[in-house]
Amino acid sequence: QQQVKQSPQSLIVQKGGISIINCAYENTAFDYFPWYQQFPGKGPALLIAIRPDVSEKKEGRFTISFNKSAKQFSLHIMDSQPGDSATYFCAATLGTSYDKVIFGPGTSLSVIP
Amino acid sequence: GAVVSQHPSRVICKSGTSVKIECRSLDFQATTMFWYRQFPKQSLMLMATSNEGSKATYEQGVEKDKFLINHASLTLSTLTVTSAHPEDSSFYICSATDLLDGTQYFGPGTRLTVL
Repeated sequence: QQQVKQSPQSLIVQKGGISIINCAYENTAFDYFPWYQQFPGKGPALLIAIRPDVSEKKEGRFTISFNKSAKQFSLHIMDSQPGDSATYFCAATLGTSYDKVIFGPGTSLSVIP
Repeated sequence: GAVVSQHPSRVICKSGTSVKIECRSLDFQATTMFWYRQFPKQSLMLMATSNEGSKATYEQGVEKDKFLINHASLTLSTLTVTSAHPEDSSFYICSATDLLDGTQYFGPGTRLTVL
């Protein structure tokens, strides 16, 4: 119930392509769904987040699509760049952003020139 | 933007010694801080939730006597790994929740290596 599933585990995309990472959850009490980007040896950084009453949110090249009925959400990175190469974690929290973050297992993205 | 710092960034210690890791919110106050552990190529696993002025809440399977957490002020939480062993070697990351708007910010992490 507390789990957040994420796929794929790793992803290789050519520069300029679209990177797509998918996540799913079971607990309908989750109320906030952030995505984090982590570079090696660094802490995770908030990339973009969405609440379940919104079906899509776009910030620059990053878009979250949210399907509440299917309990799935995804991250799309448009025009992927080598600098986007990092590990991406989808996550969920219960109720408010004051609550603990439940992380998905992560996706290692490599953007090749 | 808001910054969370951790000190030290890296620490190497001998087996059996204790190590203290500090987590500070630099430009905001945080009533709640969280401590996570991350093993190589794995996700972040929550260890405990720390509330200012009260005892920490530990996740199932985390030994509270081994991982001592103190949240003495609205800007500082500390994690002490007592009697460290090689299996405690990991990347420890804290996060702090801004009291004003609830945004959670993550620190840069501390790499602990126990020899």
